[in-house]
Amino acid sequence: AQSVAQPEDQVNVAEGNPLTVKCTYSVSGNPYLFWYVQYPNRGLQFLLKYITGDNLVKGSYGFEAEFNKSQTSFHLKKPSALVSDSALYFCAGPLRVGNTPLVFGKGTRLSVIA
Amino acid sequence: DVKVTQSSRYLVKRTGEKVFLECVQDMDHENMFWYRQDPGLGLRLIYFSYDVKMKEKGDIPEGYSVSREKKERFSLILESASTNQTSMYLCASSLVTGFINTGELFFGEGSRLTVL
Repeated sequence: AQSVAQPEDQVNVAEGNPLTVKCTYSVSGNPYLFWYVQYPNRGLQFLLKYITGDNLVKGSYGFEAEFNKSQTSFHLKKPSALVSDSALYFCAGPLRVGNTPLVFGKGTRLSVIA
Repeated sequence: DVKVTQSSRYLVKRTGEKVFLECVQDMDHENMFWYRQDPGLGLRLIYFSYDVKMKEKGDIPEGYSVSREKKERFSLILESASTNQTSMYLCASSLVTGFINTGELFFGEGSRLTVL
């Protein structure tokens, strides 16, 4: 079974600075990994996914994520943070290969300060 | 615009009441899910369904049941609500391609349930 972990509950960053939200995974075989974002009082929205191929994955709203097999990480990044990026971010992966649900990390709250 | 619609955004119920949370998707997705979201605990899977009349338990099914009589509709039922079921409930759907969950879940806005 696959699991994901988000080591930080909260990340604070100044507007215009680069941001990183961390995720590590544990899986046997090739992982499928996802990032989702939740704005206040809303459901989650898909940001990006890694299935196979390039280790740098580009997604919505200028976000990208870097898959690193040796460090078993899939960190979410953005070169220049906006105040509107403030939200709750979730890393996720399927429970196992096949048609199975996603398991989510506990979430990281990102605050971008003007 | 594709959509997952949850019937109620906010509900207040009393302990022991039967509660129905309805979810409808208009994308012809095979998979539908019910998650519960609590601060510090992230999202936890209650039940999921990969086809009409099919259901499987997730991580925390106790105290809940589900119904999927039509492909577009997935209902979560709390037979006898308790205070520890006060939470945000999120419904989601996803497409299946090649027997694999594509992983791109579409979520509803959520139903915030308070049990007094």
